[in-house]
Amino acid sequence: DQQVKQNSPSLSVQEGRISILNCDYTNSMFDYFLWYKKYPAEGPTFLISISSIKDKNEDGRFTVFLNKSAKHLSLHIVPSQPGDSAVYFCAASPLSYNKLIFGAGTRLAVHP
Amino acid sequence: DAMVIQNPRYQVTQFGKPVTLSCSQTLNHNVMYWYQQKSSQAPKLLFHYYDKDFNNEADTPDNFQSRRPNTSFCFLDIRSPGLGDAAMYLCATSRDRQGGETQYFGPGTRLLVL
Repeated sequence: DQQVKQNSPSLSVQEGRISILNCDYTNSMFDYFLWYKKYPAEGPTFLISISSIKDKNEDGRFTVFLNKSAKHLSLHIVPSQPGDSAVYFCAASPLSYNKLIFGAGTRLAVHP
Repeated sequence: DAMVIQNPRYQVTQFGKPVTLSCSQTLNHNVMYWYQQKSSQAPKLLFHYYDKDFNNEADTPDNFQSRRPNTSFCFLDIRSPGLGDAAMYLCATSRDRQGGETQYFGPGTRLLVL
């Protein structure tokens, strides 16, 4: 039973445009939502997170939006750069236990 | 730089032959995790150590075991690897284990079972 779903396995965006990566979850007990970025031959690296008491968190070019009623979050990258090309994982965890439940990832390609 | 190191990066083993994967960290974090990621799937938590306290996930097969001899090192032992155990194995650490603590991942060990 997939509790965290990333329905788009891949996304292609032109440099300078906005990239929007989506994630849906089913468990209303999740308290934290995170995005990790993974380059080939490297481990996932933390990008940005949001707690369930917020609906938006921003860090430079990266913004995460949380819609609790829809059980949906999204990552916006503006403007997209070729160096952003990577696999992006959405993950969620409850407050009590730092167990990350991951989505299967979305491969983002930013082309010139 | 503080980091999470995994050795080897690639491991080939034979069906049924025990194999050990290694993880070390220079972050001095209390928690170490092992995740399994099969091709094009989400990483899945196998177990974690909080200091010396071992915590197994309910659906982790008995074939998988772990050891943490000290703060810096953690090992994943697969007693009798099957073809279905071929995967990327990711080690991660965090300072503490409540929700929201950032986890820092190593580069992973890709296991191939022949």
